[in-house]
Amino acid sequence: DGGITQSPKYLFRKEGQNVTLSCEQNLNHDAMYWYRQDPGQGLRLIYYSQIVNDFQKGDIAEGYSVSREKKESFPLTVTSAQKNPTAFYLCASRGGQGFNQPQHFGDGTRLSIL
Amino acid sequence: GQQVMQIPQYQHVQEGEDFTTYCNSSTTLSNIQWYKQRPGGHPVFLIQLVKSGEVKKQKRLTFQFGEAKKNSSLHITATQTTDVGTYFCADLGGFGNEKLTFGTGTRLTIIP
Repeated sequence: DGGITQSPKYLFRKEGQNVTLSCEQNLNHDAMYWYRQDPGQGLRLIYYSQIVNDFQKGDIAEGYSVSREKKESFPLTVTSAQKNPTAFYLCASRGGQGFNQPQHFGDGTRLSIL
Repeated sequence: GQQVMQIPQYQHVQEGEDFTTYCNSSTTLSNIQWYKQRPGGHPVFLIQLVKSGEVKKQKRLTFQFGEAKKNSSLHITATQTTDVGTYFCADLGGFGNEKLTFGTGTRLTIIP
């Protein structure tokens, strides 16, 4: 089945540690996105990529980094500079022609501080 | 930056009652997309509204886009337990804007 796979489902980070969240899609979508969701809150955009080897900062990019070396993959690194990383992280992709196509989401990764 | 507010933040209804969530912006909305997120799940696309005054229906769900394109609403008739979740509106922004700006969401709980 086509879809978006995020791993791991749960992740724990120690102080001063960088962690990387995986996002893989087999939908052949060009655009991919990373969102952060805090309890009872909406989704805030961290980074997005419209094409391989290109990405742009979203609204809350500080303390995060991404890469887009392959069309299928858009990993997110939560660096030690992100002082409040505990949240639910969602990866999404968008395909088709035109910007008004819907976004498809993975099942998310819950990140907590140890 | 753009802010998209939704009201109410929470809504508890008896099963069979109707439910409405409102999406408001101080700036003109471009294209509105609605998503549903079940508890513990991920957002799932429901529908998109593009035109001023547009009304679309999906079974018991009715979506509206305001005439001035500054608000939108989702109305559910005769709620069922399967309607539980958080409903988000999201604005696509102007032409060429890749970013969705999500509303704050309305969490719906159903009392059986």
